[in-house]
Amino acid sequence: GQQLNQSPQSMFIQEGEDVSMNCTSSSIFNTWLWYKQDPGEGPVLLIALYKAGELTSNGRLTAQFGITRKDSFLNISASIPSDVGIYFCAGQLKGTNAGKSTFGDGTTLTVKP
Amino acid sequence: KAGVTQTPRYLIKTRGQQVTLSCSPISGHRSVSWYQQTPGQGLQFLFEYFSETQRNKGNFPGRFSGRQFSNSRSEMNVSTLELGDSALYLCASSTGWQETQYFGPGTRLLVL
Repeated sequence: GQQLNQSPQSMFIQEGEDVSMNCTSSSIFNTWLWYKQDPGEGPVLLIALYKAGELTSNGRLTAQFGITRKDSFLNISASIPSDVGIYFCAGQLKGTNAGKSTFGDGTTLTVKP
Repeated sequence: KAGVTQTPRYLIKTRGQQVTLSCSPISGHRSVSWYQQTPGQGLQFLFEYFSETQRNKGNFPGRFSGRQFSNSRSEMNVSTLELGDSALYLCASSTGWQETQYFGPGTRLLVL
């Protein structure tokens, strides 16, 4: 089945630093999604990418859909303490498979004030 | 618009029992997907319902089942609970054709 490799597994950074994480897949996806999950809560959608090569920003977050459709990255600029959490990438196919996401294992981000 | 809601938020059961979890999607969303999240296995897809029909299914045993009602609300049932079923169960809703899924807060199930 499809698998996503998300890296790094964890990051410890100083407040104000930039962060970069990525996901790669052995197969093609039509959509890449990035979520953030806080303890005890469900994942919250940060950015959705629908086209190969697409670069999308949401405040201090920027994500890109790789040209090969097999990878995506997420950057966070000027990190702040509330950025702490687990970040997941997810890939989806189209049409009748749109309701089935494949998730990476997550990147745990710790921000030191 | 109200988000995805799940009930109950927390549940404790014993081995061999069965459990039913409920999910109410965002208004207008016809697709509801269920996921199991554990520290060891991460987020694993269980199944997806669209317009009361199971449209996609993950690799879980038949003890895990679900259904969707005409108002798009969905229930998930786990029979003959095992210790390994302890997890956070998440549901997500979408329009069904656009790919963006929105998650509820989850139901944390503990099996003793």
